[in-house]
This record gives sequence, C-alpha cells and structure tokens, in this order.
Amino acid sequence: NAGVTQTPKFRILKIGQSMTLQCTQDMNHNYMYWYRQDPGMGLKLIYYSVGAGITDKGEVPNGYNVSRSTTEDFPLRLELAAPSQTSVYFCASSYEGGLAGAKNIQYFGAGTRLSVL
Amino acid sequence: DQQVKQNSPSLSVQEGRISILNCDYTNSMFDYFLWYKKYPAEGPTFLISISSIKDKNEDGRFTVFLNKSAKHLSLHIVPSQPGDSAVYFCAARNTGTASKLTFGTGTRLQVTL
Repeated sequence: NAGVTQTPKFRILKIGQSMTLQCTQDMNHNYMYWYRQDPGMGLKLIYYSVGAGITDKGEVPNGYNVSRSTTEDFPLRLELAAPSQTSVYFCASSYEGGLAGAKNIQYFGAGTRLSVL
Repeated sequence: DQQVKQNSPSLSVQEGRISILNCDYTNSMFDYFLWYKKYPAEGPTFLISISSIKDKNEDGRFTVFLNKSAKHLSLHIVPSQPGDSAVYFCAARNTGTASKLTFGTGTRLQVTL
C-alpha cells in the first residue's frame, strides 16, 4: 500500500517557467489537499478538493492551479514560477464521512522540494 | 494572524524523561485537534488527536491534554526515546470548514542519550 505518492522529489525552476507537481493516492480517499511549508513556518493550505471535479482555494492559492479529474490524482500547477514559490510542497488525503469519529486524519506524501531561481 | 501557535521552536530532553510540547490556539470554533510528527525529508505523520468534548486522550507513551478555557493543548511523551527526535506540529480543525486544518509552526524535539 503506497499511500500518498508525490513526484518529483526535487526540482529547480527558472523564474517564469511552469511545472506540475504530481500527487496520487491509493487509499480511495475523497478529500485531497496541497500545502506548502516555508522554513520555520507551519503548513499553509494552497488548494483542496472534496471529491472528483470539486476544488476550492485554501489560505495561499495565488500563483497556483489545481484539477481533480479522478479520485486518485490531484496535480498542482505552477504557471509562472516566482522566487516566492520556493518551498516544500506536501500533498495529503483523508476520508471524510462514514463512521463517527473518523475525523480528518490527513495522510501526507513525502513532499516536493522546489527552488525557483 | 496565527491561530495556532507553538511558542517553543525547540526542546531538548534526556532519554527516559518526559517531553512536554505545548500549543495555544485563538479560534474558539476549533473542534478537533491533532498532533503530527515529521522526520527530515518525510511528510508529516499522524500521531494522536483529541476532540473538543474531551480533556485527555492517551495512546501508549503519548498523551494529549486539552484545556478549552485556556485554549491550550499539550502533548506528553513518557518515556522519551531517541527515535522521538523529530518536529512536532499541532493542528486544529475549524467546525464547518470542510475539514481544513490549521497548523502551528512546529517544535523540534531532540531526545539525547
């Protein structure tokens, strides 16, 4: 059981380039999330999805886009990379609904370390 | 506006002793609290949680205490082991916000021999 898989693990971009961070989960979770973590800071929510075809903005969505065409995949797109987007990006998933008490335990991928130079 | 605060960036504890990690929050709508543990180059992993209707939850060496009136929670690790050395994040869920979590900035715990 792989859980949440993120690719790539590392990437260096030039200013203005674009890229897609991939995230896939094999736990049949309905909710998925993208966070970024800057040095010395907590995780900040970029975008989240409550199911295939449904996405919404989090706390820091500017400069990013997402899509959710399947339950398993939740890619994050950077269109015009800027130095301020240098960060570690984490994807997470959780199952919401069903048994009482199964409350929002999010499972995280290993992260993508992105540098924009 | 930091709604979840971990005021101690780091903590050093001897092996076998108790580790106490603290977390304060400001939003009275938070109804569920979680602790995550993170090793370098890995994603956070869930450790323990507590609902706002309880004041204590225990799982093996880990106990979380919640003081709602003080808007404070703490994680106790007894006894501390070298493998517990990691960054610990406190997180809180806001009622009715699609299960989004707000994270603290983390506390780096080092357990020394």
